[in-house]
Amino acid sequence: AQKVTQAQTEISVVEKEDVTLDCVYETRDTTYYLFWYKQPPSGELVFLIRRNSFDEQNEISGRYSWNFQKSTSSFNFTITASQVVDSAVYFCALSGMDSNYQLIWGAGTKLIIKP
Amino acid sequence: DTEVTQTPKHLVMGMTNKKSLKCEQHMGHRAMYWYKQKAKKPPELMFVYSYEKLSINESVPSRFSPECPNSSLLNLHLHALQPEDSALYLCASSQVYRGNYGYTFGSGTRLTVV
Repeated sequence: AQKVTQAQTEISVVEKEDVTLDCVYETRDTTYYLFWYKQPPSGELVFLIRRNSFDEQNEISGRYSWNFQKSTSSFNFTITASQVVDSAVYFCALSGMDSNYQLIWGAGTKLIIKP
Repeated sequence: DTEVTQTPKHLVMGMTNKKSLKCEQHMGHRAMYWYKQKAKKPPELMFVYSYEKLSINESVPSRFSPECPNSSLLNLHLHALQPEDSALYLCASSQVYRGNYGYTFGSGTRLTVV
């Protein structure tokens, strides 16, 4: 069965600090996809990244970076120089044949950036 | 146009009311989804439409009735809801079902049942 674990329920940091959100997954699939979504208080789920299981290259997009490590089944998300606008709930999700390609969601991490 | 638009943004309804939630996308996506999200929880899949046909119903009570009039529109008809149905209802779309493409979500309808 597939499972996504986001062990950090809530993280609070001061603006400009770097912060890493952890995501650990379980799957029997050899081909699968990992996602990160941001959900600000307004409610919309904003797509951040999709990574397939064959691409272990780390990705950087502005202040955001993702570290995918198959050896530890982790797909961690780092925000560099955090800003108040980064405050949101962040969800990690997994999709593959084992889940009939439905998104398997982690519980989410609430990130609070204090000014 | 890379948006999924949901209306209304907020809805308060009584347990005897009938209301509908609407979702629209013009990205040419052929899969559309309804999710329910309770506070502090991840979204839960309710329905999947693929090429305007219902592909998945995740054992949702019949008081929720989905409809896909065309490839751009998705409705969720509500009737005789219970207070525990109060939640954020999210619509999403993807290029195809089971394609492992990214999902685009709308901003949701916050539903309160009184």
